[in-house]
Amino acid sequence: TQLLEQSPQFLSIQEGENLTVYCNSSSVFSSLQWYRQEPGEGPVLLVTVVTGGEVKKLKRLTFQFGDARKDSSLHITAAQTGDTGLYLCAGPGLGGSRLTFGEGTQLTVNP
Amino acid sequence: NAGVMQNPRHLVRRRGQEARLRCSPMKGHSHVYWYRQLPEEGLKFMVYLQKENIIDESGMPKERFSAEFPKEGPSILRIQQVVRGDSAAYFCASAGQVEETQYFGPGTRLLVL
Repeated sequence: TQLLEQSPQFLSIQEGENLTVYCNSSSVFSSLQWYRQEPGEGPVLLVTVVTGGEVKKLKRLTFQFGDARKDSSLHITAAQTGDTGLYLCAGPGLGGSRLTFGEGTQLTVNP
Repeated sequence: NAGVMQNPRHLVRRRGQEARLRCSPMKGHSHVYWYRQLPEEGLKFMVYLQKENIIDESGMPKERFSAEFPKEGPSILRIQQVVRGDSAAYFCASAGQVEETQYFGPGTRLLVL
C-alpha cells in the first residue's frame, strides 16, 4: 500500500511569513500532485511534479520533488490571507489510475 | 468550458433511505473517479469507471454501494440503506485519459440523520 504522510497537520501563521509543507512516502511515485481545497469545495490542482529533483514555481509557491521521487515540499513565500486552505498532496497508485492522498495540511494565515 | 459538475451539492437522508449522487465529467473526459472524504480525514479512493465499465472498485464497500457510468448521462454513485457512518463529502473527478490529471467537482455533502 502506498501511503503519503503530510506535515504539519495544522499550521497557523501571520501574513507575510514564509512556510513549508512536506509530503513524504516510503514508496516511489511516478509523479506527485498538490491540490488546495477550500471549505465546501473540491480540490483544485496547483501543480504536478514528474521528474526527480524538479522545482516548479507558481508565483509565491515553490514546489519541489525529491531526487528519489518519494517526497515533495511546498514552500510559500510571504503568505497572504488568501492562501488559507487545506493543502493536499496526491500520487497515482499502482496501475496509474486512482490517486492516493495525504491527510492534508490545514493552513491558516492570519491578518 | 464547464468543469466537473456534481449534484446535489447537499443531500440529507434518514437512516435506511437511498442516496443517489450524480457526476457529469468535463467535456471530452471518459474516465470518472469517485472519492470519499470523511470528517477530519483525507480523500479516499472508491471506484474508477469508464463508459459502461467499472475498472477498479477496490475502494468501495462491498455492500450497499454501487456505481455506474452509462453510455449516456452522468455517472451515478448509489448508496442503499444509508447509515450515519456514510455521512461524508463525496467527490467525483474526471480525466481525459488514464494517468492524466484528474479534475475534481465541488462534491456532494451527504448527511445521514
